Formats: sequence, C-alpha cells, structure tokens
Amino acid sequence: TQLLEQSPQFLSIQEGENLTVYCNSSSVFSSLQWYRQEPGEGPVLLVTVVTGGEVKKLKRLTFQFGDARKDSSLHITAAQPGDTGLYLCAGFTNTGNQFYFGTGTSLTVIP
Amino acid sequence: DSGVTQTPKHLITATGQRVTLRCSPRSGDLSVYWYQQSLDQGLQFLIQYYNGEERAKGNILERFSAQQFPDLHSELNLSSLELGDSALYFCASSVGISGFSSYNEQFFGPGTRLTVL
Repeated sequence: TQLLEQSPQFLSIQEGENLTVYCNSSSVFSSLQWYRQEPGEGPVLLVTVVTGGEVKKLKRLTFQFGDARKDSSLHITAAQPGDTGLYLCAGFTNTGNQFYFGTGTSLTVIP
Repeated sequence: DSGVTQTPKHLITATGQRVTLRCSPRSGDLSVYWYQQSLDQGLQFLIQYYNGEERAKGNILERFSAQQFPDLHSELNLSSLELGDSALYFCASSVGISGFSSYNEQFFGPGTRLTVL
C-alpha cells in the first residue's frame, strides 16, 4: 500500500497542452516536495511546500499544497518536450522522520 | 551533475551473495540518504545518516545495513541477496539534518543498478 497515490500514472500529451498531476494521501504531511526524474538519473527537486493552501509558481509550473496538507497538485502550462519525465511527489512526516515518495506520473510531451 | 557520486554504476550478482554500494556526498553535505527504486515498489526511503550517526530509518530490510564514515562517505551493504532486491539504489545528500525542507535540498546521485540473477 502506497501512502501517496499519484494520478494519472501515465500521461501523453501534445506540445502546448496544459496538464495537472495529482498527489493524494489520507495522511497529513509537514512538508511536501515535487521531483522530476529523467531516465538513468536521480530525481531532481522542483519545489517544497510547507503551508496548507500554499501555491508556488516556477515558470510554467504551478504547485499547490492542500489546505489540510494531505494532497498536492502540479499544473504545467503549455507543456514542452523538455518537460518529459517521471514526476514524483514526496511527503515528510515529523513522526519518526519518515519520508514517502508517491507512485509517480510518467509524462511524455510529443513535439 | 549533482555532485553526489555513486559506485559502481552497474552490479550483477547471484542470489545469496553480498554486495557493497558506495556513495560520496557533495562537498560540505553532512547528511546521506539511501533509497531503493523498483518497478513494483516505486522509490522507497531506506535510511539516513547525519555526520556519522543514523538519523532516520525507513523500509530497510534486516539483510541491509549502512554506515557513514568519518570522511562522510557512506556504504550500503546488501546481504543474502534475493531476486526481488534487483533495483536502482540511489544515494542523496544534503547540508543539514533534514533534507525535506525548502532550505535544505537533497541532491541525488546517478544511482547503482543492481541485478540479482
């Protein structure tokens, strides 16, 4: 059983389209992060959100942390082929200093 | 290039064997984290060391152990290997004690691909 469920699992879109990836849990997290991983490489941190309801923008990427700190979303505007990769959310709980990765969303942007 | 190095890049071994994976953190980073990534389990946190001391433990099997040395490099030892241990093993490092905050980012190495035959 995965603590953090991501949807969709796979996403294939045309260049220029918008998309949203969801990260959901029944647990509360003190912080939540989003990573992107390319084949043959380790994940690279995109953003960290720590406050319920927080919204962060990183160029064409918008990240939102749910009010109850149980879920998050990543929205990409006008997707580009360079956005292709595996997107992972990850939540941290102060209880036992545990860190959980989501199930992952594999995004392919077709030129 | 994240600055975190892992060796070897690939490792092929047989069931029942023991292997050691090595990680050198970025210069100045005191925390080292180990992760396992497999197709069926996704990316799983195994264990964290901070300045030589175990800081947090995740889903690490008893057959696995790790340590961080005085020069801050770390080793992950996997013993009595099973087919299901085949996976990518990542090491990450961060400056501070908690790599899960906006001011203390984790940097991941390129990983070691372990294949158990």
